[in-house]
Amino acid sequence: AQSVAQPEDQVNVAEGNPLTVKCTYSVSGNPYLFWYVQYPNRGLQFLLKYITGDNLVKGSYGFEAEFNKSQTSFHLKKPSALVSDSALYFCAVRDRYGNNRLAFGKGNQVVVIP
Amino acid sequence: DAGITQSPRHKVTETGTPVTLRCHQTENHRYMYWYRQDPGHGLRLIHYSYGVKDTDKGEVSDGYSVSRSKTEDFLLTLESATSSQTSVYFCAISAGDTGGTDTQYFGPGTRLTVL
Repeated sequence: AQSVAQPEDQVNVAEGNPLTVKCTYSVSGNPYLFWYVQYPNRGLQFLLKYITGDNLVKGSYGFEAEFNKSQTSFHLKKPSALVSDSALYFCAVRDRYGNNRLAFGKGNQVVVIP
Repeated sequence: DAGITQSPRHKVTETGTPVTLRCHQTENHRYMYWYRQDPGHGLRLIHYSYGVKDTDKGEVSDGYSVSRSKTEDFLLTLESATSSQTSVYFCAISAGDTGGTDTQYFGPGTRLTVL
């Protein structure tokens, strides 16, 4: 069964500093990996995904993520955090041989301090 | 929110009453999903549909049923609501035609409180 771990409940970062949100996954075979962001009282918004190819994936709002197969990780990064990046971030994984189900992590609350 | 609406957006009901939540899409996507979001659990899949009248269970399907009679509508029914079903419910859609690489897009959510 596919699963995702997001080890930190909350990440605090000063505005202007680099932001990293960690994600590790477990699947049988090669994964498809996704990041979503949720602002208060809103649905999830898609940020980026890794399917194949370049391990560094660029997405919306200046975010990027690096796929590391040996460490089974897909950490989300942003070079310079904004106060408006404060939100809940979810990592999700799907294996390539199963159905269209996504397995989500528990989410990371990011707080960007002015 | 990618052409997805959910109704109602908020609902308060009593234990034992039936509740139906509606998801409507204008994207003509094949796949539709119902999730629930609870603190400490992230999103958990309740049921999903891969076509009209084609549905399957997710990881937390007990106490829920679904129906899809048209491409654009996916209904989630709680036959007899319980307090443990108090949650925020999200509908999602995906095209489902790219070998599993397609992205799921989410609706705005329904906040359900069962007293």
